[in-house]
Amino acid sequence: AQKVTQAQTEISVVEKEDVTLDCVYETRDTTYYLFWYKQPPSGELVFLIRRNSFDEQNEISGRYSWNFQKSTSSFNFTITASQVVDSAVYFCALSEALTGNNRKLIWGLGTSLAVNP
Amino acid sequence: DAGVIQSPRHEVTEMGQEVTLRCKPISGHDYLFWYRQTMMRGLELLIYFNNNVPIDDSGMPEDRFSAKMPNASFSTLKIQPSEPRDSAVYFCASSFGTVSYGYTFGSGTRLTVV
Repeated sequence: AQKVTQAQTEISVVEKEDVTLDCVYETRDTTYYLFWYKQPPSGELVFLIRRNSFDEQNEISGRYSWNFQKSTSSFNFTITASQVVDSAVYFCALSEALTGNNRKLIWGLGTSLAVNP
Repeated sequence: DAGVIQSPRHEVTEMGQEVTLRCKPISGHDYLFWYRQTMMRGLELLIYFNNNVPIDDSGMPEDRFSAKMPNASFSTLKIQPSEPRDSAVYFCASSFGTVSYGYTFGSGTRLTVV
């Protein structure tokens, strides 16, 4: 069965610290997609990144970086020099089998990040 | 692009009343999803549509919930009769084509049933 585990329920850091949010997934599919979404206190869900299973290159976008390792089934998210505005709940998600018109995502339970001044 | 538009943003209703949540997906998106978010259960997929046709409604909690998509630019989620345990944030999301593009979510409707 497919599953996404975000073991860290809550993380609290001080501004300017680096923080890594862990995501471990389980799937039998060879082709799949992984996602990260951010949910700030205002409540909306904001798409951050997608990664397909054939591309293991790490990605960097400003202070954000993602480390995808198929060997450990992990897709971890690092925020460098965290800021108070990074405070949010972060969700990792995995696509279900890409058959027919199946477009469901499997969601982790989220990691609540608090960045304190 | 106005994004996915949901209305109302907040809804407070009494138990037993009918509640209708509305969603306008992004123009050109062919998939529409309804999610429910609670502290206890996290994000739950209720139902999703492809080209206005319901594909999977296995997440709809019970017969009190129904969803329709009469055209490509509008969908409703109806709860009748509503119960306090339906209190949650309901999100609508849309996407185009393959799942590789992910979803774009609306701002959500916070429903409180008293």
